[in-house]
Amino acid sequence: EIVLTQSPGTLSLSPGERATLSCRASQSVSSSYLAWYQQKPGQAPRLLIYGASSRATGIPDRFSGSGSGTDFTLTISRLEPEDFAVYYCQQYGSSSWTFGQGTKVEIK
Amino acid sequence: QVQLQESGPGLVKPSQTLSLTCTVSGGSISSGSYYWSWIRQPAGKGLEWIGRIYTSGSTNYNPSLKSRVTISVDTSKNQFSLKLSSVTAADTAVYYCARAPGPSAFDIWGQGTMVTVSS
Repeated sequence: EIVLTQSPGTLSLSPGERATLSCRASQSVSSSYLAWYQQKPGQAPRLLIYGASSRATGIPDRFSGSGSGTDFTLTISRLEPEDFAVYYCQQYGSSSWTFGQGTKVEIK
Repeated sequence: QVQLQESGPGLVKPSQTLSLTCTVSGGSISSGSYYWSWIRQPAGKGLEWIGRIYTSGSTNYNPSLKSRVTISVDTSKNQFSLKLSSVTAADTAVYYCARAPGPSAFDIWGQGTMVTVSS
């Protein structure tokens, strides 16, 4: 089973700042099968990025994904107040899905 | 557009079987090439994929839960279901159903349903 490790655990930033979130896999992941989600309290996760770098429908272009192999990154270019949330990476492989443990982006 | 809605008991006794249903609206569960999954999240913790059923009816389960999980589909009702046997307090979580358009990302999620395991 591929393990995804996200860092940092918590990111304290101010609105307008840039956020860089990391997701590292225990073995190589196909870029086609790497996704990112945003989750706010009391809500279901929302798909942000799929295929490592493709934005899902309706996702603002301040969200971008990059990476390959075992290292992937989610970047939020300028944080808006509504972007403070928990972010998860996810991969598909060997007929199963796994998630990272999450990164919380909080207001500094 | 397609929407998912979970339903089932909010309280289950230890050692019993947890049963949940996900109703698909706005589209047919048997059209297209979709993976229909169950995912859970204990309070304050991360997401855990439980298992999935494909449009054809084939299933795959999380190895850590495989011995206790059954996912089935009822195309006549446009629903798919989860059964988790021999539950303990560790199975207390919000349970989500979700759709993946192929072996990739989950693009549609239900709102989630809280299930507590307690006597």
